[in-house]
Amino acid sequence: QITLKESGPTLVKPTETLTLTCTFSGFSLSTIGVAVGWIRQSPGKAPEWLALIYWNDDKRYSPSLKRRLTITKDTSKNQVVLTLSNMDPVDTATYYCAHSPVFATYDYWGQGTLVTVSS
Amino acid sequence: QSVLTQPPSVSAAPGQKVSISCSGSTSNIGEQYVSWYHQLPGTAPKLLIFDNYKRPSGIPDRFSGSKSGTSATLDITGLQTGDEADYYCATWDTSLSVVVFGGGTKLTVL
Repeated sequence: QITLKESGPTLVKPTETLTLTCTFSGFSLSTIGVAVGWIRQSPGKAPEWLALIYWNDDKRYSPSLKRRLTITKDTSKNQVVLTLSNMDPVDTATYYCAHSPVFATYDYWGQGTLVTVSS
Repeated sequence: QSVLTQPPSVSAAPGQKVSISCSGSTSNIGEQYVSWYHQLPGTAPKLLIFDNYKRPSGIPDRFSGSKSGTSATLDITGLQTGDEADYYCATWDTSLSVVVFGGGTKLTVL
């Protein structure tokens, strides 16, 4: 059974760097073809794709946020970490990590973590 | 303004069929597979359809997907009150190099 869970701060100040950890089970990020992605969703809005990391450490980023985003993995700990620098109130959203078995498809999602950006 | 256009809302009676459209362009739907998700309030999106028409295990065949040109459609038959949710289409956009989501469609089962 595949599960994912996001963890990190619920409140960050403007200009700070957000660090979120996705801890997963039921699959290995060393399995060929597997990837984990991050998607966020602002209240009342559609999801917004942020980043993706593959089993071979290949990475993809949303071009609009690429300068601020970093995604890494620790295969031994079954974790994927996302950092988003220079946080702004517009970055307030629920952040999800999700398992991607095939390109651009997410079949298992974490419960999400709401991050509020406010001074 | 989403790259993929969905109707803001659709509605139908229990037991009826509803179709949700997703309109894109040649740089996304036209040459990429489409996925569909539904989302109940306060929960994460759930995958309903991938690769245009395939269903993950556990998704009933009341849900079906299709694609034609630069548009995709999600059909739901035998509507149930539990189907009330927001529905999103998604695909890769080769020009933007990003997964794009539609703006979402709120389904109301009258």
